[in-house]
Amino acid sequence: EPEVTQTPSHQVTQMGQEVILHCVPISNHLYFYWYRQILGQKVEFLVSFYNNEISEKSEIFDDQFSVERPDGSNFTLKIRSTKLEDSAMYFCASKAGTDNSPLHFGNGTRLTVT
Amino acid sequence: SQQGEEDPQALSIQEGENATMNCSYKTSINNLQWYRQNSGRGLVHLILIRSNEREKHSGRLRVTLDTSKKSSSLLITASRAADTASYFCAPGTGTASKLTFGTGTRLQVTL
Repeated sequence: EPEVTQTPSHQVTQMGQEVILHCVPISNHLYFYWYRQILGQKVEFLVSFYNNEISEKSEIFDDQFSVERPDGSNFTLKIRSTKLEDSAMYFCASKAGTDNSPLHFGNGTRLTVT
Repeated sequence: SQQGEEDPQALSIQEGENATMNCSYKTSINNLQWYRQNSGRGLVHLILIRSNEREKHSGRLRVTLDTSKKSSSLLITASRAADTASYFCAPGTGTASKLTFGTGTRLQVTL
């Protein structure tokens, strides 16, 4: 069964550094998402992406964050200047374009900002 | 989008017993989805029930939906230790809409 792939599985970075998290969604899916989960807390929505543009973003997704779909297969999340509070699991998800289709999640990237 | 509220927050049962989790939501939906999350892993879609359906089965899972009460339940029959995870419901309100997740039900299945 096709799956969403995220790399790396664990990223350690210093405060103020830029990080890029990588995702390969399921190939025929049209909707793409990033979520994050701070340890012990809820899975929080960050951003959704459709037709090569952001369709919705949360308050968390401020100017430090950006997303890109540089080619037909990758979907990236960039954090320009990481803060300690950005430490979390980041999950990518994708969805087919049909009604009543579920989200398919990757296994996440654990980002640790020191 | 809207968030589902799962109840109970935590549930501990023995292997072989059935586990029932409930979900409530606030406004009209297209579907109601259930997901599982094992510790430190991504969410896994379990089952989706459409707003015009009342009950759906998938293996050991049974989901009900009562749109008049804005509630759903997930029943896991003959539970196994491997069912230990957090379970989330998510109301779906349209093709383009995001899903919002609550705090879930933490299920612990002991041997």
